[in-house]
Amino acid sequence: QQPVQSPQAVILREGEDAVINCSSSKALYSVHWYRQKHGEAPVFLMILLKGGEQKGHEKISASFNEKKQQSSLYLTASQLSYSGTYFCGTEYPVVGAQKLVFGQGTRLTINP
Amino acid sequence: EAGVTQFPSHSVIEKGQTVTLRCDPISGHDNLYWYRRVMGKEIKFLLHFVKESKQDESGMPNNRFLAERTGGTYSTLKVQPAELEDSGVYFCASSPRWSGRGNEQFFGPGTRLTVL
Repeated sequence: QQPVQSPQAVILREGEDAVINCSSSKALYSVHWYRQKHGEAPVFLMILLKGGEQKGHEKISASFNEKKQQSSLYLTASQLSYSGTYFCGTEYPVVGAQKLVFGQGTRLTINP
Repeated sequence: EAGVTQFPSHSVIEKGQTVTLRCDPISGHDNLYWYRRVMGKEIKFLLHFVKESKQDESGMPNNRFLAERTGGTYSTLKVQPAELEDSGVYFCASSPRWSGRGNEQFFGPGTRLTVL
């Protein structure tokens, strides 16, 4: 049931682009993206909802393919501050459930 | 607006001891969640409160873990007796009343628990 993230780790130079993928074997209600820096709270980035609605940061984009049960997070012109571990959290269509099932994380390192 | 706060930030205990973690959600948030991240692995759901009621406790590992949310405000998570495999970072998150669409969950900084 745990979604699968890929890649597991990415190393980039500042200014380069990255794509992080999240795949589920079950139908999804929504996908939540978070970034966590070492020792800090996971920070909300974006929610993608079934039906196409999105909520989140303007500078970060993401897609949600409902048929394929996949979401991708696009980080363009990466900055040093983008470094951290990115998690996708999936929400399944169970009434009242609301819990997030997280992927294993993607560690992103941005070098100058 | 104050965010989700957790106490303590770190706890080091010996196997067999008891530890109580506390979470103060954002004021007015009905939903409170506990998650745990074991070193290098995914963030795993433990349980979900709606106000003072346990909505979903399917992620609680065993009966050594007891969560409460008396009065529907702050929550405590007690581990008794602690085992080595309980080590990890315990996160609390809160969200407003469910609106029928995906709700952003606001995470606290976590409590790092080390069981020796």
